[in-house]
Amino acid sequence: QSVLTQPPSTSGTPGQRVTISCSGSSSNIGGNYIYWYQQLPGTAPKLLIYRDNERPSGVPGRFSGSKSGTSGSLAISGLRSEDEGDYYCSAWDDSLSGWVFGGGTKLTVL
Amino acid sequence: QVQLVESGGGVVQPGTSLRVSCAASGFTFSSFVMHWVRQAPGKGLEWVALISYDGDNTYYADSVKGRFTISRDNSRNTLYLQLNSLRAEDTAVYFCAREYPLSGFDYWGQGTLVTVSS
Repeated sequence: QSVLTQPPSTSGTPGQRVTISCSGSSSNIGGNYIYWYQQLPGTAPKLLIYRDNERPSGVPGRFSGSKSGTSGSLAISGLRSEDEGDYYCSAWDDSLSGWVFGGGTKLTVL
Repeated sequence: QVQLVESGGGVVQPGTSLRVSCAASGFTFSSFVMHWVRQAPGKGLEWVALISYDGDNTYYADSVKGRFTISRDNSRNTLYLQLNSLRAEDTAVYFCAREYPLSGFDYWGQGTLVTVSS
């Protein structure tokens, strides 16, 4: 049972827009930044979004993040086959004094 | 270019110990907070521990507190994780990751697999 709650899976067709939600609490998302990571099959995680909605250099503008209250979301527009993989949200948790991750969302491009 | 290379994984019996390492290069290692994150086979990411840039402060996930110890040697640009009293549920790929201030875990290693089995 993860502290942050994500849907286990989502899917879309090439060119579509998909969103992945991440629900937490006041001790994590509600009071701290949310981060998103992409993990493609057989690879290490990669930072996708930081500080709720900022993109590291090299991350395409198709990826965007938002946050409201104790929830956040990742949006991927213009879906491509190479986006297929697992996506994780993360935040610092003040009550646990540690980082927490969502359970991950498996994105399938149909 | 930033590189993080883990090593030291292997197959161990329950109740035994293991130390995994992460060799860092391409950046000023002593200026960054470092983390260990693990991933059990077919499962999601689980944060394990962090250590401050100077090694004076450490934090652990409840699941490993009292059994695992994170440390660093800034003279060797190396991060360590000592795993004691290992259990089957500790079986995972262990990743080291660099934290850029307020910018998340911006670099990750390729991971080292620890398998706890009798």
